[in-house]
Amino acid sequence: GQQLNQSPQSMFIQEGEDVSMNCTSSSIFNTWLWYKQDPGEGPVLLIALYKAGELTSNGRLTAQFGITRKDSFLNISASIPSDVGIYFCAGQLGNAGNMLTFGGGTRLMVKP
Amino acid sequence: GAVVSQHPSRVICKSGTSVKIECRSLDFQATTMFWYRQFPKQSLMLMATSNEGSKATYEQGVEKDKFLINHASLTLSTLTVTSAHPEDSSFYICSARDSGGNQPQHFGDGTRLSIL
Repeated sequence: GQQLNQSPQSMFIQEGEDVSMNCTSSSIFNTWLWYKQDPGEGPVLLIALYKAGELTSNGRLTAQFGITRKDSFLNISASIPSDVGIYFCAGQLGNAGNMLTFGGGTRLMVKP
Repeated sequence: GAVVSQHPSRVICKSGTSVKIECRSLDFQATTMFWYRQFPKQSLMLMATSNEGSKATYEQGVEKDKFLINHASLTLSTLTVTSAHPEDSSFYICSARDSGGNQPQHFGDGTRLSIL
């Protein structure tokens, strides 16, 4: 289906650095979700955002739901090698069978 | 937390074989499950929405006779790739969400399908 605009496509950073990635859409979503996918595995939910403007943290991860409901960012502080993977944003409407619209993914590589 | 189990994790078989993949919600009921396909270095592509007790809804371009979906209970959906060919080789992932309340989707660990 339609994809969200996710950037950057890839990042290669030094261990300990902070990371920021974001997603934008021309459509409004009721829920924004951030997932991480390790090679050969399914995506794992990191953070779910339900309210416009909502800022939520999960350990070193922080995500915000944009006021317009058309964008979201995910920050990772003090990156570590196990943060390596592909991060996907996903927008969900309250109807339409609760289908998810995915971003293209951000591939994160961390240099020890 | 919500757990989705997908089986098998990997299948290697000859061309012409039909392959069945199971997706189970272990600790919640899911009236709706979703089946995705993912090519290397790409995002997830929704194939179909599996509805408990009724026909699946397929996305445009996905052959319903090729990818048979059955959702016979609130905790199990199956995807059968019929007469699989090498071009069907891919990573197939299911997801499910708890029917109660505004819950996010949780994904299975995926099935790597390789058709020789």
